[in-house]
Amino acid sequence: DAGVIQSPRHEVTEMGQEVTLRCKPISGHNSLFWYRQTMMRGLELLIYFNNNVPIDDSGMPEDRFSAKMPNASFSTLKIQPSEPRDSAVYFCASSLNLAGGSEQFFGPGTRLTVL
Amino acid sequence: TQLLEQSPQFLSIQEGENLTVYCNSSSVFSSLQWYRQEPGEGPVLLVTVVTGGEVKKLKRLTFQFGDARKDSSLHITAAQPGDTGLYLCAGLDTGGFKTIFGAGTRLFVKA
Repeated sequence: DAGVIQSPRHEVTEMGQEVTLRCKPISGHNSLFWYRQTMMRGLELLIYFNNNVPIDDSGMPEDRFSAKMPNASFSTLKIQPSEPRDSAVYFCASSLNLAGGSEQFFGPGTRLTVL
Repeated sequence: TQLLEQSPQFLSIQEGENLTVYCNSSSVFSSLQWYRQEPGEGPVLLVTVVTGGEVKKLKRLTFQFGDARKDSSLHITAAQPGDTGLYLCAGLDTGGFKTIFGAGTRLFVKA
């Protein structure tokens, strides 16, 4: 298996533009997580899905952020409009399920820079 | 709000030295995990501890979960340059589904 796949790996955009980050989880995994990592705030959980249904989006910072999981093999995180303070590395992770202690497998991340 | 504090934030040591990093909270966690992250990559799970007082060993790494399940430590014996990276502890909240990460300990082992 190729592991969790994220695209693009790097994104540079201007303030006000829409940004869409993509994730393909590991086949057979039922849970998917979106995280944001910065030096100041560390790794923050934004939202997670189970069986394609959003379970907890309390970590989404603002209404400018939205996430979807239309099927078991694809998820998107959208920022509209983007702002410079959104600059960070965004990770997608998947796990077999939400059972306690289930290992989360992380993708390589998307480094977003908003100018 | 459950928080995990890691210490130290940064650690630079010589190859062959021993070290311990700590992960502390005032909250109880169902389980606690340790991840290692290298530059340009996502975190990779090292271990999961579930039972209070549990000790797990992974080669030169020893992980301990506190008796009250509020804290944990990672001890590395005879550190090697390949151990360099960001070590993150992550607690699973008592609701059972949400993982909370500490800020990490950045370790640099000099040859």
